[in-house]
Amino acid sequence: AQSVAQPEDQVNVAEGNPLTVKCTYSVSGNPYLFWYVQYPNRGLQFLLKYITGDNLVKGSYGFEAEFNKSQTSFHLKKPSALVSDSALYFCAVRGFSGGYNKLIFGAGTRLAVHP
Amino acid sequence: KAGVTQTPRYLIKTRGQQVTLSCSPISGHRSVSWYQQTPGQGLQFLFEYFSETQRNKGNFPGRFSGRQFSNSRSEMNVSTLELGDSALYLCASSLRVNYGYTFGSGTRLTVV
Repeated sequence: AQSVAQPEDQVNVAEGNPLTVKCTYSVSGNPYLFWYVQYPNRGLQFLLKYITGDNLVKGSYGFEAEFNKSQTSFHLKKPSALVSDSALYFCAVRGFSGGYNKLIFGAGTRLAVHP
Repeated sequence: KAGVTQTPRYLIKTRGQQVTLSCSPISGHRSVSWYQQTPGQGLQFLFEYFSETQRNKGNFPGRFSGRQFSNSRSEMNVSTLELGDSALYLCASSLRVNYGYTFGSGTRLTVV
């Protein structure tokens, strides 16, 4: 079965420190991977995607993610966290499940950046 | 350019009623997907339309239905509402499958 796991419900980091939000996936075939961010009472905002090519993907707002095929991971990273980065982050994979292609989301990780 | 527009933003309905939600995709986007977000189940895929045809479908009962018009605008309908249908319903549009998906701000449906 296709699935996405975000093992941490919450990640706490001090402003200015690097941050990592973890994501692992299970999908048959080549994965199409995405990261989204959600602020309170808002929809999801696209951060970055991996389809093919370079394993290090750069996205919006200084975020980047590293695709690791052997570890089936797609961790989100940022070198220096900002308080305004505090939000809910979702990893997603385009997978084939139940006879259909669809975007399968992880449960989300809440990022709290403290001043 | 304008983003994905969902209307209405908030809705309160009574059990047993039906509801229709609307989504206008980004101009030029032909793929529209719908998701349900709840605290307990997270983000669940409902269906995806491309060029007025349903291409993909999630695991929801037949009370949930949708359609897409020739201008790519999409509607989803929920009949015989249940308390458990209370959720944030999100619409996303994309140029094509596997491209980046742009989400709207959602419609928050409360069933009382």
